[in-house]
Amino acid sequence: GQQVMQIPQYQHVQEGEDFTTYCNSSTTLSNIQWYKQRPGGHPVFLIQLVKSGEVKKQKRLTFQFGEAKKNSSLHITATQTTDVGTYFCVSSNTGKLIFGQGTTLQVKP
Amino acid sequence: NAGVMQNPRHLVRRRGQEARLRCSPMKGHSHVYWYRQLPEEGLKFMVYLQKENIIDESGMPKERFSAEFPKEGPSILRIQQVVRGDSAAYFCASSKLAGKQSSYNEQFFGPGTRLTVL
Repeated sequence: GQQVMQIPQYQHVQEGEDFTTYCNSSTTLSNIQWYKQRPGGHPVFLIQLVKSGEVKKQKRLTFQFGEAKKNSSLHITATQTTDVGTYFCVSSNTGKLIFGQGTTLQVKP
Repeated sequence: NAGVMQNPRHLVRRRGQEARLRCSPMKGHSHVYWYRQLPEEGLKFMVYLQKENIIDESGMPKERFSAEFPKEGPSILRIQQVVRGDSAAYFCASSKLAGKQSSYNEQFFGPGTRLTVL
């Protein structure tokens, strides 16, 4: 079945450093979504990417969808302590969401 | 506009007891999804329901687990004869329309029910 693999599993950065998480699939994806889950919280939708090569920005966050629609990345510029949490790439398949394992970001002030 | 509601937020059961988890979708949403999250892992899809119908239960264990979404009232995820391995966070999500391959309808998640089996 459809799976998305995400790396790294954990990332510790100093506040102000950049952060990137990568997502890969062996199959072509119709779309990719990114969710953020704060510690003890629930997943919150960040963005959806649909088109090949698409790049979207939300303030310090940059999301990319690969040309072959098999990979995606999330880059955070100049991390802040509020960025702490787990970031999931998610593919959708006829309604249900398929989550990657997530990348847990820790930011040291 | 209230978000997705789940209760209880925390549930403790002894082995062999039953657990009932409730989910009220956002107003105007008729599609409900249940996911399970084990510690340090991503969410795993369990079941997708519309009012009075199970659309996809491919992620549900074959035994002890059942789900419903009646015409009136919340969606219920029921776990019979719980075992320690059922301890997890169970999240419910709702959407307005079903996701299709070429389009997407955002799923809104509830706060989850954290089930602990002693």
